[in-house]
Amino acid sequence: GNSVTQMEGPVTLSEEAFLTINCTYTATGYPSLFWYVQYPGEGLQLLLKATKADDKGSNKGFEATYRKETTSFHLEKGSVQVSDSAVYFCALSAYSGGGADGLTFGKGTHLIIQP
Amino acid sequence: DAGVIQSPRHEVTEMGQEVTLRCKPISGHDYLFWYRQTMMRGLELLIYFNNNVPIDDSGMPEDRFSAKMPNASFSTLKIQPSEPRDSAVYFCASRPQGGNTEAFFGQGTRLTVV
Repeated sequence: GNSVTQMEGPVTLSEEAFLTINCTYTATGYPSLFWYVQYPGEGLQLLLKATKADDKGSNKGFEATYRKETTSFHLEKGSVQVSDSAVYFCALSAYSGGGADGLTFGKGTHLIIQP
Repeated sequence: DAGVIQSPRHEVTEMGQEVTLRCKPISGHDYLFWYRQTMMRGLELLIYFNNNVPIDDSGMPEDRFSAKMPNASFSTLKIQPSEPRDSAVYFCASRPQGGNTEAFFGQGTRLTVV
């Protein structure tokens, strides 16, 4: 079956630090990969996505590259801000031709940015 | 579009009572998903529908849980009878056809069973 593994938090960084949140996956079919962000008391919002190998998704200074050879989709940001404090979820959708699957999520990484 | 709309936002109920959670997906989306989020288990897919038909309900924890989608613009998740361990945030999400598309989430319903 499909699965997503991501580093568990909390991850605590100082403002302007470099961020990496690791994510690896196993999937059947041809997965698309996503990073979602959840701010306190809110639903999940799409942060970025990549739909094929070597694609790079980017948004709000965050980036992630779809690495098929290492089955990874690590999230990075060069300089984090206090407002980036949230829970980040890596997810995949394996489209196997029979129809889109439900998204499979990692357990989430709680990121805390200190001023 | 207003996005995925869930109601109520918060629900507190006594053990043994019936609870109904509601969801209105984004117009035109073919898929609707119900997820449950807890600290212990993270985000779990309970069930999903395609064109109003349930496709995979293997994540539904027990017979106490049931979900329906009578039309393209409305779905319910019912728990009867409710138990304290059902306390969680329940999310509804929808997505259009196509394997590369992302799902759009509602704000969630925080359920507390006392």
